[in-house]
Amino acid sequence: EVQLVESGGGLVQPGGSLTLSCAASGFTFSSYAMSWVRQAPGKGLEWVSGISGSAGSTYYADSVKGRFTISRDNSKNTLYLQMNSLRAEDTAVYYCTKGTLGARASVRLSGEDWGQGTLVTVSS
Amino acid sequence: DIQMTQSPSSLSASVGDRVTITCRASQSISSYLNWYQQKPWKAPKLLISAASSLQSGVPSRFSGSGSGTDFTLTISSLQPEDVATYYCQQSYSTPLTFGGGTEVEIK
Repeated sequence: EVQLVESGGGLVQPGGSLTLSCAASGFTFSSYAMSWVRQAPGKGLEWVSGISGSAGSTYYADSVKGRFTISRDNSKNTLYLQMNSLRAEDTAVYYCTKGTLGARASVRLSGEDWGQGTLVTVSS
Repeated sequence: DIQMTQSPSSLSASVGDRVTITCRASQSISSYLNWYQQKPWKAPKLLISAASSLQSGVPSRFSGSGSGTDFTLTISSLQPEDVATYYCQQSYSTPLTFGGGTEVEIK
């Protein structure tokens, strides 16, 4: 059974930093692309960032490019999201998603399985 | 970036009704279209990938169709457990983008 468990959320001041983690189990972690998707309170879904299975390729939404860094440690089956220069509009539940298998990189980033999410609140 | 437009934003239907949700892409995305279901306070769940491929374990009353720019999610006979918000997402290119969502409730 695929399990994705996010951690690291919390309250942070504007301009601050936070690192999210996602512990994965139940599948061969290094074989799958992974993504972070967020959902602001009462709003829709926004894809934030993705990374290939080998970590050789990373992808970002324009809204976080230059501020967020996605990474993974395949030896620890863990996905990370380093978030810097946080803004109020980054307040959201952040979901870790396991990708699918496919020939196209963007397809592989699609969320086939999702964690339960971790809440990030940016406020003074 | 590819914009995804869903309609309607909300709908109310009776148990047993046929429900249709549409999703339009701002450019052709072939069949690179996923549908997700999100119940209140829960993580989204992938229902359909590649426009029409039903995920394992998803009831057969759900179906997807379309290609190019216009797509449809159909619930053939609405059930109480289908109360949720439904999102389309294009997986044609990065950044992946979602539609605004359709809230489905029981009349």
